[in-house]
Amino acid sequence: DARVTQTPRHKVTEMGQEVTMRCQPILGHNTVFWYRQTMMQGLELLAYFRNRAPLDDSGMPKDRFSAEMPDATLATLKIQPSEPRDSAVYFCASGRGSLYEQYFGPGTRLTVT
Amino acid sequence: RKEVEQDPGPFNVPEGATVAFNCTYSNSASQSFFWYRQDCRKEPKLLMSVYSSGNEDGRFTAQLNRASQYISLLIRDSKLSDSATYLCVASNTGNQFYFGTGTSLTVIP
Repeated sequence: DARVTQTPRHKVTEMGQEVTMRCQPILGHNTVFWYRQTMMQGLELLAYFRNRAPLDDSGMPKDRFSAEMPDATLATLKIQPSEPRDSAVYFCASGRGSLYEQYFGPGTRLTVT
Repeated sequence: RKEVEQDPGPFNVPEGATVAFNCTYSNSASQSFFWYRQDCRKEPKLLMSVYSSGNEDGRFTAQLNRASQYISLLIRDSKLSDSATYLCVASNTGNQFYFGTGTSLTVIP
């Protein structure tokens, strides 16, 4: 049963530190999404890749966040420097295109103190 | 105005009841629609896709009304295990994929 995997599952860090989250999409999927979810804001799209190229990162704070796909099996989301307001659950999802269903990973629960 | 809007609820229904959720979308170019289910502290999971002709999967029925720009989800014979948040999604060929904020359902014994 193919699944999206994410690491780490939990991360607690201090303000100002760099945080890197990793995602392995389902083999054969050519689109990858990064989302952030908080109680207040719900699910927010941060970035979207197709065939490893970034198509939309308008939802991402550019000054501190960056997203990349160094290869087809790895997507990364970095926050530098991290701030307490970045505390949230970060989900990665993969799919076969914007008209098709997405499959979510288990998420990284980030706490910035 | 949000691209996809849902009544956040909560919906509290007894076991065995029928419950329906609606979701409206603002972009008439939306072409694909989905319902996801999210349990507390878990990731969203695909429940079903929504087709123009409507589709059914066991106790779940999804409908699409393009003229009024809404999709619906009907759950019959509710089970305790149906308690979750239900998210609707609309997407289009412009690489835009929009989630609603979710509708909370609690099925009461």
